[in-house]
Amino acid sequence: EVQLVQSGAEVKKPGESLKISCQGSGYRFTSYWIGWVRQMPGKGLEWMGIINPGDSDTRYSPSFQGQVTISADKSIFTAYLQWGSLKASDTAMYYCARLPHYDSIIEYWGQGTLVTVSS
Amino acid sequence: EIVLTQSPGTLSLSPGERATLSCRASQSLSSNYLAWYQQKPGQAPRLLIYGASSRATGIPDRFSGSGSGTDFILTISRLEPEDFAVYYCQPYGTSTITFGQGTRLEIK
Repeated sequence: EVQLVQSGAEVKKPGESLKISCQGSGYRFTSYWIGWVRQMPGKGLEWMGIINPGDSDTRYSPSFQGQVTISADKSIFTAYLQWGSLKASDTAMYYCARLPHYDSIIEYWGQGTLVTVSS
Repeated sequence: EIVLTQSPGTLSLSPGERATLSCRASQSLSSNYLAWYQQKPGQAPRLLIYGASSRATGIPDRFSGSGSGTDFILTISRLEPEDFAVYYCQPYGTSTITFGQGTRLEIK
């Protein structure tokens, strides 16, 4: 069974750093891309970027380029989304997702990680 | 970048009624590469339809998709209580991922 299991909810202060994770199981981790989607409270889905864990090819949405870093460690079947300095506007639910290609359908989703940034 | 416009923003219907949701793309989608997702409160989205009209695994046949080019429709033939949710469209094969702004389907 394909599963994407994300790390737990986080509460951070503005200016702090954060790295959340997404561990894949039940499939060959390096054969699929892992993408990240932001959903701000009460809002729609926003595409952030995507990584190929096999070769670390990473592509960012222009809106998120320079704001976050996407990485992966294929040895532990895990992808990451990280911030160097959080802002209150980063408060959102973040989903990881598995895609067969960098611009295809999303067949599987993680359960989401809620990030709250508040002073 | 392809811009998607979903309409209506909110659709109020009763169980048993037929729902018709629209997704319009700013450019024609090659090979009808358009997907629909359902998101219920507190849950991750779920793939419903891909290739404009193919149901994903496990999706009931009351859900159907149609359309081509720039205009696509998601139809739910007879609404069940569990169908009240937010629906998003997403083109693919376009070098990047974007989503429509969503249609909220609420109980009337």
